[in-house]
Amino acid sequence: DAGVIQSPRHEVTEMGQEVTLRCKPISGHNSLFWYRQTMMRGLELLIYFNNNVPIDDSGMPEDRFSAKMPNASFSTLKIQPSEPRDSAVYFCASSWDLYNYGYTFGSGTRLTVV
Amino acid sequence: GENVEQHPSTLSVQEGDSAVIKCTYSDSASNYFPWYKQELGKRPQLIIDIRSNVGEKKDQRIAVTLNKTAKHFSLHITETQPEDSAVYFCAVSGGYNKLIFGAGTRLAVHP
Repeated sequence: DAGVIQSPRHEVTEMGQEVTLRCKPISGHNSLFWYRQTMMRGLELLIYFNNNVPIDDSGMPEDRFSAKMPNASFSTLKIQPSEPRDSAVYFCASSWDLYNYGYTFGSGTRLTVV
Repeated sequence: GENVEQHPSTLSVQEGDSAVIKCTYSDSASNYFPWYKQELGKRPQLIIDIRSNVGEKKDQRIAVTLNKTAKHFSLHITETQPEDSAVYFCAVSGGYNKLIFGAGTRLAVHP
């Protein structure tokens, strides 16, 4: 089992550019979560999906952020346009079920917007 | 919504001592309480979890206790070792496995 795979590991981009982060969940997991981690705000849940359907996107900070899950093995988080305050580590996690199973996190994408 | 408070924010112990980290939560409907360990530059990893129908769970040197009446749960690490040094996060979930994380505790174990 390769675990949750995220790409890229590091991304440096200029303010105003579009950024796309990618995630491949563990095969068979049907719930997928996107978190953002910063020193100031800790681990924040942005959005989560169950069976490829977005369940709750109330954590998405603003309209510049969007997420999709076109199939069970792939999800994207897009920021357009990016701003310096978006700099953070973005984690994707997956789990077997929506009900009370521990997550497995990916290695994260460290995003720096300059 | 759910609010999770974690204390202390930093904890320094000598090797071999015990460490205790406590979290309180606000939603009495919450029913799943995992703990994650995050080493520097790495992903959070699940180390132990407990469900609301259990008061205590142990796994070698780590244990978690839950007091549903008081709405708090704690992580206990005994016989600490330098490799236990990391940031520890508690989390709370109710219903849709939407984990809300505490702010984290940075544990330093000194040889």
